[in-house]
Amino acid sequence: GAGVSQSPRYKVAKRGQDVALRCDPISGHVSLFWYQQALGQGPEFLTYFQNEAQLDKSGLPSDRFFAERPEGSVSTLKIQRTQQEDSAVYLCASSLRARLDGELFFGEGSRLTVL
Amino acid sequence: TQLLEQSPQFLSIQEGENLTVYCNSSSVFSSLQWYRQEPGEGPVLLVTVVTGGEVKKLKRLTFQFGDARKDSSLHITAAQPGDTGLYLCAGALGGNNAGNMLTFGGGTRLMVKP
Repeated sequence: GAGVSQSPRYKVAKRGQDVALRCDPISGHVSLFWYQQALGQGPEFLTYFQNEAQLDKSGLPSDRFFAERPEGSVSTLKIQRTQQEDSAVYLCASSLRARLDGELFFGEGSRLTVL
Repeated sequence: TQLLEQSPQFLSIQEGENLTVYCNSSSVFSSLQWYRQEPGEGPVLLVTVVTGGEVKKLKRLTFQFGDARKDSSLHITAAQPGDTGLYLCAGALGGNNAGNMLTFGGGTRLMVKP
């Protein structure tokens, strides 16, 4: 498709399980961002990739969160030993250029519920 | 305290009414974007403003960037049910050639009743 694709759309995990969320950005987009959005709130920055390089991971809330983009296209956000406070929508966005403030094209998000 | 404060947090109005939502900060931004997010979807860019005092119009939506580039407003004329959604502002602090990371406000949730 022409847009940013995320999977799964919905994930229910038991506390302590590991989860992996996938993002397929728009082809050719250099920048890729992951955000966490709590219910009724604005997106909070997690991490940023420029091609395959993770240039900023300052927003990752703990060392249980890990993201990669090994070939500069598809990205995976992994959360280990999930906790209830990890429940949120995880949004992926891509942007054409190697700029931090360009237009963001968002996917529909992956809604994670940790029981 | 969030870098960008949006107000009101919630707004419920009747079709045909006008409304204004605000995005305020004590920081100066090199650019500011407005997004609309519908339930179950990702945010979609509406506009980017970069110059202090700039006004941009998009059909019934009017966006203004404050003269000091610390605040912005979105005015909707004759609101329609299709305008319902979460309106988010996102600012980039002034900085280097690669730009600075966008920071999002908490959003204004708008409901327009028919």
